[in-house]
Amino acid sequence: DAGITQSPRHKVTETGTPVTLRCHQTENHRYMYWYRQDPGHGLRLIHYSYGVKDTDKGEVSDGYSVSRSKTEDFLLTLESATSSQTSVYFCAISPSGGYTDTQYFGPGTRLTVL
Amino acid sequence: EDKVVQSPLSLVVHEGDTVTLNCSYEVTNFRSLLWYKQEKKAPTFLFMLTSSGIEKKSGRLSSILDKKELFSILNITATQTGDSAVYLCAAPNSGGSNYKLTFGKGTLLTVNP
Repeated sequence: DAGITQSPRHKVTETGTPVTLRCHQTENHRYMYWYRQDPGHGLRLIHYSYGVKDTDKGEVSDGYSVSRSKTEDFLLTLESATSSQTSVYFCAISPSGGYTDTQYFGPGTRLTVL
Repeated sequence: EDKVVQSPLSLVVHEGDTVTLNCSYEVTNFRSLLWYKQEKKAPTFLFMLTSSGIEKKSGRLSSILDKKELFSILNITATQTGDSAVYLCAAPNSGGSNYKLTFGKGTLLTVNP
């Protein structure tokens, strides 16, 4: 299994509070991704990173920010959580982000916003 | 807009049956298609397909790509209850120099004893 961990694994928070999710990898892969998974929508890309301090938006980036200060860590922040951000969040990594690269997924974080 | 469409959305079979899952795609600069299996946890990688007509096989699972008709199928023979999962297909699309995966919504397969 790819060396990816996510923390916390479960979180319950209240509307309006900031939340930070952490993804940590031990593979030294260049590319890291944050997805959310919701019934009826499948996996949707929030943000991704192609290097330290290099990030870009995915298809559902509104309300989310990311940071990557070290190769191994990719943080996802919900600046002011809303109930629509209740979801399961997955981090993924890829060696070079190329079209023949496989993305490997972390175990996920289940976030509930009350 | 890139699209990956899977069918059926759900499927219930009995142990021992053979199933075929479908994935069609419309992706800019198509290069490859991936299949994942997701049980009650993270998606795990099954296959990557890049060439048309060449079957990839792993045990009872096999997959093939048709680049002319823009689809792929995932076959599972002699299904077992452990095959129950959501099966996802995805295709990388090029957003400039950075490739991102577009996922289908998945097929929920339930294998009953």
